[in-house]
Amino acid sequence: SSELTQDPAVSVAVGQTARITCQGESLRNYYAKWFQKRPGQAPVLVIFAKDSRPTGIPDRFSVSMSGDTASLVISGAQAEDEADYYCVSRDTSGNPWVFGGGTKLTVL
Amino acid sequence: EVQLVESGGALVQAGRSLRLSCVASGFIFSDYEMNWVRQAPGKGLEWVAYISGSGKTIFYADSLQGRFTISRDNAKNSLYLNINGLTVADTAVYYCTRDVNSQVPMDVWGQGTTVTVSS
Repeated sequence: SSELTQDPAVSVAVGQTARITCQGESLRNYYAKWFQKRPGQAPVLVIFAKDSRPTGIPDRFSVSMSGDTASLVISGAQAEDEADYYCVSRDTSGNPWVFGGGTKLTVL
Repeated sequence: EVQLVESGGALVQAGRSLRLSCVASGFIFSDYEMNWVRQAPGKGLEWVAYISGSGKTIFYADSLQGRFTISRDNAKNSLYLNINGLTVADTAVYYCTRDVNSQVPMDVWGQGTTVTVSS
């Protein structure tokens, strides 16, 4: 089982705000990073470090943090944001990385 | 252009071995830490293995039971993953990825190579 827990599915209406959460003890010490995965495509890094976006990622993608839970916030969700989203962080056992189980975002 | 290209995926029988390769271009390969990540059909992303730029530091996912070996040849800009004793559960798309550092992981991904294990 994953040490980072994500809700399996989230839905949002176009133009509304989507919040995708990632919960895990390691997040008390390490930032969560976030990836977008569309079917048939390689994952894309959308958030790294504390709250930075790679070049080309829209500023509607942001993050928030509370305790052991990180949230990816998509403000004004667009149809093209429909995808699976994964958080990743350090593993509490000392391994470099562990992924959350993923959240399927549906944009209605 | 920064690029990672995987190869070596195949349809193989359970119990056999396979070697996956990943060739890097567009950046100084030895400066970067690398990973293998896989995604089984209908499942989520799973981190498999990590190797430092020099190759001296290696980590594996605890669940892999010692059947996987990650290595690199910096002279050939190449990353490898050897998998022994393949099982049906190893069926997945395998991606190689680049870490800039601990705050910027997996900023570049290959297109993936598919491993299918038959029983």
